[in-house]
Amino acid sequence: AQSVTQLGSHVSVSEGALVLLRCNYSSSVPPYLFWYVQYPNQGLQLLLKYTSAATLVKGINGFEAEFKKSETSFHLTKPSAHMSDAAEYFCAVSGSGGYQKVTFGIGTKLQVIP
Amino acid sequence: DTAVSQTPKYLVTQMGNDKSIKCEQNLGHDTMYWYKQDSKKFLKIMFSYNNKELIINETVPNRFSPKSPDKAHLNLHINSLELGDSAVYFCATSRQGAETQYFGPGTRLLVL
Repeated sequence: AQSVTQLGSHVSVSEGALVLLRCNYSSSVPPYLFWYVQYPNQGLQLLLKYTSAATLVKGINGFEAEFKKSETSFHLTKPSAHMSDAAEYFCAVSGSGGYQKVTFGIGTKLQVIP
Repeated sequence: DTAVSQTPKYLVTQMGNDKSIKCEQNLGHDTMYWYKQDSKKFLKIMFSYNNKELIINETVPNRFSPKSPDKAHLNLHINSLELGDSAVYFCATSRQGAETQYFGPGTRLLVL
């Protein structure tokens, strides 16, 4: 079974400041890890994913995440927040290969203050 | 050309009614899903189909019945709607279960 814990349901940053959204996972098998973003009144879209290749994963819109097995973490970062980054961010985990269920975290709402 | 589309976008109905939500994808993906997102944004999988075969069926009341007439479509029929069914329902697709999922725009269901 897999699960993810997102620390902080709301995060506020100033425009231009570092964005750090935390995600810890639990998995009994080698995991696939994902970050999705949801803008208001829209569906989710993939930001980036880890599938057992490079541990530092770069995604769209300047986001990146690092897979740290020893810490069971997959935190999402962006060096400089932009107003357009304000959205809900979801961390997700699945087992690798086959028809694995993807389990989503509760989401973190990112607010960017001008 | 929308990759994953859902109809209707909004659905307001009375308790006890029966309603259907439709999902269509043109990505050629084999796997399709239904998710329920509650008012606190929690996203929970309900069903998953692969090549028209049900492969994931979470603990969902049997008032909810998915149907996949073909690989490109996955519909959700809900009988005897209850207040607690009010939520946003998302359809999603992927090539395989562990791959990137592509979400539709959602259907906002309000049961009065």
